[in-house]
Amino acid sequence: EVQLLESGGNLVQPGGSLRLSCAASGFTFSSYAMSWVRQAPGKGLEWVSGISGSGISTYYADSVKGRFTISRDNSKNTLYLQMNGLRAEDTAVYYCAKDLGYCSSTSCPPDWYFDLWGRGTLVTVSS
Amino acid sequence: DIQMTQSPSSVSASVGDRVTITCRASQGISSWLAWYQQKPGKAPKLLIYAASSLQSGVPSRFSGSGSGTDFTLTISSLQPEDFATYYCQQANSFPLVTFGPGTKVDIK
Repeated sequence: EVQLLESGGNLVQPGGSLRLSCAASGFTFSSYAMSWVRQAPGKGLEWVSGISGSGISTYYADSVKGRFTISRDNSKNTLYLQMNGLRAEDTAVYYCAKDLGYCSSTSCPPDWYFDLWGRGTLVTVSS
Repeated sequence: DIQMTQSPSSVSASVGDRVTITCRASQGISSWLAWYQQKPGKAPKLLIYAASSLQSGVPSRFSGSGSGTDFTLTISSLQPEDFATYYCQQANSFPLVTFGPGTKVDIK
């Protein structure tokens, strides 16, 4: 079955760190760019970060640049988001999402259309 | 940065109604636009990409149009399962991806 499963969400104090994981199955993970998208409680969607299929290229929203790091382990079919310096405004459900476009080389840019999403994992930043 | 706006912010409609949602980009994005449907407590679902391409498995009552700065999502005959929030998303302002604020479609 084609699916994404996030884990790692938790309650963390301001200034703390957390690492999210997203386990992929049912497709050739390394051939697709991946992203993290978050949704604060009762709010809209906000793209956080993306990474190319090879892992060579990474992209960040200004709101998390310098604090969050996206990475992937294609041998484990897993996407990660290392979050440092967490703030109350980072409180959200974090979704991992797969790019629509298949990439057959190491240099395809993401198309930024997300055709597969996980169920999300909740990150709460509060003292 | 490109800003996305949607109108209306909410719409009340009945089963069978034709519903149109508008999305506007603060600058031209060619056809780099997607539409998503999200139901409460669930992940978003891709409906339309490249402004007018219907994602596989999505019913044909959904259609998208537009280019440049103005886009529309149309549901030709609203079904009970279509009551949800709809988001547009631009995919042009590399490397920044931006979603619109959403349009809630609820039952009249």
